[in-house]
Amino acid sequence: QVQLVQSGAEVKKPGASVKVSCKASGYTFSNYYIHWVRQAPGQGLEWMGIIIPSGGSTTYAQMFQDRVTMTRDTSTTTVYMELSSLRSEDTAVYYCAKGGSSSWLDFWGQGTLVSVSS
Amino acid sequence: DIQLTQSPSFLSPSVGDRVTITCRASQGISSYLAWYQQKPGKAPKLLIYTTSTLQSGVPSRFSGSGSGTEFTLTISSLQPEDFATYYCQQFNSYPLTFGGGTTVEI
Repeated sequence: QVQLVQSGAEVKKPGASVKVSCKASGYTFSNYYIHWVRQAPGQGLEWMGIIIPSGGSTTYAQMFQDRVTMTRDTSTTTVYMELSSLRSEDTAVYYCAKGGSSSWLDFWGQGTLVSVSS
Repeated sequence: DIQLTQSPSFLSPSVGDRVTITCRASQGISSYLAWYQQKPGKAPKLLIYTTSTLQSGVPSRFSGSGSGTEFTLTISSLQPEDFATYYCQQFNSYPLTFGGGTTVEI
């Protein structure tokens, strides 16, 4: 069965970086995009970007363009999302999600809470 | 960016009620719309994609319709496990965007 297993919660200080991992299993890793979506406490869903596992190309939402980097390791079927220059507003649960045949999100990781506080 | 506006923001129906949630797009998105259900502390779960296709395993009481700029999610007979927050999402173009959510609460 399809599974996306994310790394554990992180606590960071403002200005630091965080790197969240997402290990995929149960399907052909290279065939489907991986998306990252975040959700601030009590708020809605915000799309951050995608990575195409087969070639590693990425598309980022403009508001994260300067601070986010998405990478993948095909040998371990793991995708990474690194967010730099953290500020308190980045406190959120970060989700990875597998794209379907188009860009709906059919399977989600369990989420990783990133807390940014001085 | 394509804006999605959901209405209502909150609903307080009873078990057995028919529930309809609307999602309006700021520009035409053809049929490129999905719906998700999210329960507190959990990841969203895909219910419907491409406006009306039910994801495998989702009960048939859920249905979706619409095209262009106006879409609806209908729950034909609300069950206790359906109390949750529902989001629409467009995948017509990047950046992907979500509606603000509709909370169905007791």
